[in-house]
Amino acid sequence: NAGVMQNPRHLVRRRGQEARLRCSPMKGHSHVYWYRQLPEEGLKFMVYLQKENIIDESGMPKERFSAEFPKEGPSILRIQQVVRGDSAAYFCASSPASGDREQYFGPGTRLTVT
Amino acid sequence: RKEVEQDPGPFNVPEGATVAFNCTYSNSASQSFFWYRQDCRKEPKLLMSVYSSGNEDGRFTAQLNRASQYISLLIRDSKLSDSATYLCVVNLPSNDYKLSFGAGTTVTVRA
Repeated sequence: NAGVMQNPRHLVRRRGQEARLRCSPMKGHSHVYWYRQLPEEGLKFMVYLQKENIIDESGMPKERFSAEFPKEGPSILRIQQVVRGDSAAYFCASSPASGDREQYFGPGTRLTVT
Repeated sequence: RKEVEQDPGPFNVPEGATVAFNCTYSNSASQSFFWYRQDCRKEPKLLMSVYSSGNEDGRFTAQLNRASQYISLLIRDSKLSDSATYLCVVNLPSNDYKLSFGAGTTVTVRA
């Protein structure tokens, strides 16, 4: 059973470009969570999605950031017009639809904005 | 005040030693507590849940003190492979999916 998959693992963007980060949850999981880890800081919750629904986006910056989890395909975290402060590791986690709420984390995408 | 605070360390200990560290949390309504392990900024992995009565998993012992709002982790007979950053994690019953992470305590076990 493959774990949570994220790609790309490393992404370099120049200021003003767009970044798209992908997350495929574990097989059988329909809940997806995105977290951001800035250097020397703990992971910060960004958004919680279920298929085709955003459940809680209270941790998302109000501008430039969006997330989706379509019926088919991976969850996407999109950052428009990136700035240097967006440089961070972005982790995706998934959990099953019911029962065990333990979150299984993917390997992360390291975004570097130059 | 941060939701979860940890001593960043590093704790440098010889193989076979015992090392212990705490974390404090700010919200007294927190209900679930965990220790995660993170290696070299890779993905966090659940080490153990922390129960009110305290719990042990092999060489690892976790304790919860609700009155003082802190959680502790003790590692006995340290191995080189225990070198990692240990993340204290809590969540609230109202948003049990929203994990709050501490910045981590770094432990380095030397030969």
